[in-house]
Amino acid sequence: GENVEQHPSTLSVQEGDSAVIKCTYSDSASNYFPWYKQELGKGPQLIIDIRSNVGEKKDQRIAVTLNKTAKHFSLHITETQPEDSAVYFCAAAARQLTFGSGTQLTVLP
Amino acid sequence: ETGVTQTPRHLVMGMTNKKSLKCEQHLGHNAMYWYKQSAKKPLELMFVYNFKEQTENNSVPSRFSPECPNSSHLFLHLHTLQPEDSALYLCASSQGGGEETQYFGPGTRLLVL
Repeated sequence: GENVEQHPSTLSVQEGDSAVIKCTYSDSASNYFPWYKQELGKGPQLIIDIRSNVGEKKDQRIAVTLNKTAKHFSLHITETQPEDSAVYFCAAAARQLTFGSGTQLTVLP
Repeated sequence: ETGVTQTPRHLVMGMTNKKSLKCEQHLGHNAMYWYKQSAKKPLELMFVYNFKEQTENNSVPSRFSPECPNSSHLFLHLHTLQPEDSALYLCASSQGGGEETQYFGPGTRLLVL
């Protein structure tokens, strides 16, 4: 089955700096790659997603890049703000979604 | 909010109790999911229902019993649980299965004593 590796597990950045989270996957049949943000006491919420026919997608301060050849994709957050502090999960879907283990992002004021 | 509600939000139960978790989605979706989220581990898919039919059971112990009476409601019946079953149980829904975007509820925090 699919295996998704996510790095780093924790990430601290200064407010205003950029944050990058990287994921690799194993199943070349995966075609859908969402990113979720989970705040304390809440369920994961979709923040951006990308499909395999696209190499990059951007939504304001958030961007995702996908390299299907290398089987890796990344989340980029620019101009980070304290409210960006949360756990971020990547996922890859062939038949079902498989999630990475999460990255605890802390944005220091 | 995402349109997926879960009750109760918190639950404490003994190992001999029987309880049920409830999930309801207001999005008109056809697929519903149960996930288990433990500390420091990836979300674990437990069950998938598509058009009320169970299409996935990821080797979940029989002490967890799902029920999907219609496309909007999903239950997880719990009996004779173990302390290691303590976790956050998340429900999600999507328009279809597989590569469709999933929308999650807030979860039920379960503690088994």
